[in-house]
Amino acid sequence: DAGVIQSPRHEVTEMGQEVTLRCKPISGHNSLFWYRQTMMRGLELLIYFNNNVPIDDSGMPEDRFSAKMPNASFSTLKIQPSEPRDSAVYFCASSLVRQTGPKFGPGTRLTVT
Amino acid sequence: KQEVTQIPAALSVPEGENLVLNCSFTDSAIYNLQWFRQDPGKGLTSLLLIQSSQREQTSGRLNASLDKSSGRSTLYIAASQPGDSATYLCAVLYSGGGADGLTFGKGTHLIIQP
Repeated sequence: DAGVIQSPRHEVTEMGQEVTLRCKPISGHNSLFWYRQTMMRGLELLIYFNNNVPIDDSGMPEDRFSAKMPNASFSTLKIQPSEPRDSAVYFCASSLVRQTGPKFGPGTRLTVT
Repeated sequence: KQEVTQIPAALSVPEGENLVLNCSFTDSAIYNLQWFRQDPGKGLTSLLLIQSSQREQTSGRLNASLDKSSGRSTLYIAASQPGDSATYLCAVLYSGGGADGLTFGKGTHLIIQP
């Protein structure tokens, strides 16, 4: 079990650029979550998928953010255009059933200058 | 809006002390509650998960309790060690249909002095 895999681990970009974060969930898990962590707001749920279908995207801050899950083994979170206030650590997590809780990836640290 | 609050925000104690971290939540309709550990620059490691029907869970020197009626959970760390230094996060999964995302507290930053 390789765990949840996220790439890149670090991303530095300029304001206005498009940013794509990637996630590979644990094989067999059917729910995938994207969270954002900042000093001010802590960890917040952005969106989650169940069986590749977006269930709740109410945490996505603006239309600049979009997420896709084209298949059970891959998801992307895209920010276009990026802004300095998007700087944060973005975590992906996956789970099989509610009872056992999600497993988190190592996160992607995004810095927008 | 469901909220999770952790007190204290930071704690520094000498090695060997027993300590308690606190977590409170506003809505008692929870499915389960989880305690995580986060080391600087790292991801989240699950420590203990308590189902809504349970009162406590134990793992080694860690014990987590849950009191749904009062909206509280505690994480007890026995005989603390410098390696326990980290941020501890409390997260609640609510029972609402389709609401599968965790609501997190902002964490307690713990330093164990050698």
